[in-house]
Amino acid sequence: EVQLVDSGGGSVQPGGSLRLSCAASGFIFSNYVMTWVRQAPGKGLEWVSGISGSGGSTYDADSVKGRFTISRDNSKNTLYLQMNSLRAEDTAVYYCAKSTVTTGPFDYWGQGTLVIVSS
Amino acid sequence: EIVLTQSPATLSLSPGERATLSCRASQSVSSYLVWYQQKPGQAPRLLIYDASNRATGIPARFSGSGSGTDFTLTISSLEPEDFAVYYCQQRTNWPPTFGGGTKVEIK
Repeated sequence: EVQLVDSGGGSVQPGGSLRLSCAASGFIFSNYVMTWVRQAPGKGLEWVSGISGSGGSTYDADSVKGRFTISRDNSKNTLYLQMNSLRAEDTAVYYCAKSTVTTGPFDYWGQGTLVIVSS
Repeated sequence: EIVLTQSPATLSLSPGERATLSCRASQSVSSYLVWYQQKPGQAPRLLIYDASNRATGIPARFSGSGSGTDFTLTISSLEPEDFAVYYCQQRTNWPPTFGGGTKVEIK
């Protein structure tokens, strides 16, 4: 059974940093693209970052470029999102998701982890 | 980037009724349109990919149609568990984008 477990969220002040993790199981992790999608409170879905199966290629939304870094450790079956220079508008539930190609479809999702950026 | 506009924003229907949800793209996405369902407090769930293909385990009452810029998600007869928010997503152009969602609520 495919499982994605998101963790690492919390409350942080503007300008601060946080690292999210997504622990994967039930599939060959290195064979799949992994993605972070976020959802601000009461709002819709926004694609954030994606990474190839090998980790050699990464893709970021313009809204997070230069501030967020996606990475993966295939030996640990874990996806990461390092978030620096956080802003109030980064407040959201962050979901990891699995797909075959970088643009989706995203067939399995983690349960999400909440990031709150506030002073 | 491609903008996806979903309508209506809210659909009020009774169990057993037919639901028709629309997703319109600002430019052609060919058939690379995806539908997700999201219930309160839960992650999105993949329903339909490439406009008309049901994902694994999705009941036959869910169907998708369309190509180019106009797409439809149809729920033939609403079950109590179908009341949720539905999002479309295009995977043709970079970056992948989502529509604003349609909430299907109990009338």
